[in-house]
Amino acid sequence: VMTQSPATLSVSPGDRATLSCRASQSVYSSIAWYQQKPGQAPRLLIYGASTRATGIPARFSGSGSGTEFTLTISSLQSEDFAVYYCQQYNNWPPVTFGGGTRVEIK
Amino acid sequence: EVQLVESGGGLVQPGGSLRLSCVASGFTFSSYEMNWVRQTPGKELQWVSYIKSSGSIIHYADSVKGRFIVSRDNAKNSLYLQMNSLRAEDTGVYFCARGSSGWGYWGLGTLVTVSS
Repeated sequence: VMTQSPATLSVSPGDRATLSCRASQSVYSSIAWYQQKPGQAPRLLIYGASTRATGIPARFSGSGSGTEFTLTISSLQSEDFAVYYCQQYNNWPPVTFGGGTRVEIK
Repeated sequence: EVQLVESGGGLVQPGGSLRLSCVASGFTFSSYEMNWVRQTPGKELQWVSYIKSSGSIIHYADSVKGRFIVSRDNAKNSLYLQMNSLRAEDTGVYFCARGSSGWGYWGLGTLVTVSS
């Protein structure tokens, strides 16, 4: 089970956002982060816990291993307000997702 | 440009069937593992099924095992999901997604609504 916190994060543009994802058992570094905007498919941001996907800005960074993971957005831009999901792909099947964190404008 | 385009969704009664398709372009489809994932009305993401590039390995979520069948036709660059004995809880947007360690490409999804 993947648990994300908080459910909603209110942040001002330009501020840092820190999103958490906890696994019920170790997934080593087999975790990905996705961003989803309304009406769109999820977009891969991070895989392998800390590797940015192609074309993802450097303000997005991932860290952690085992059961505790963090996605950090260093300086929020207007286009970053969205829902973020973590996904584990170590103990699969099944692949599992967290419930999501909504990042909203403060 | 990589593109994945789903189709086949719609309104179906409980117990009914639907067949979803996902047509791929912009990459060598036969070289990639593929997945079906759905998003519930509550926005939860649920993995549904996986198929290896050759089709030789297939996995299903427990919730759909015995009811759904995934297949692919590499000659047609196409992925399929045959959904039988549909239930209300199968309602959602169904996406196809490419990859295994992080899914870098997703389609836009097709909506499946199971209701009487």
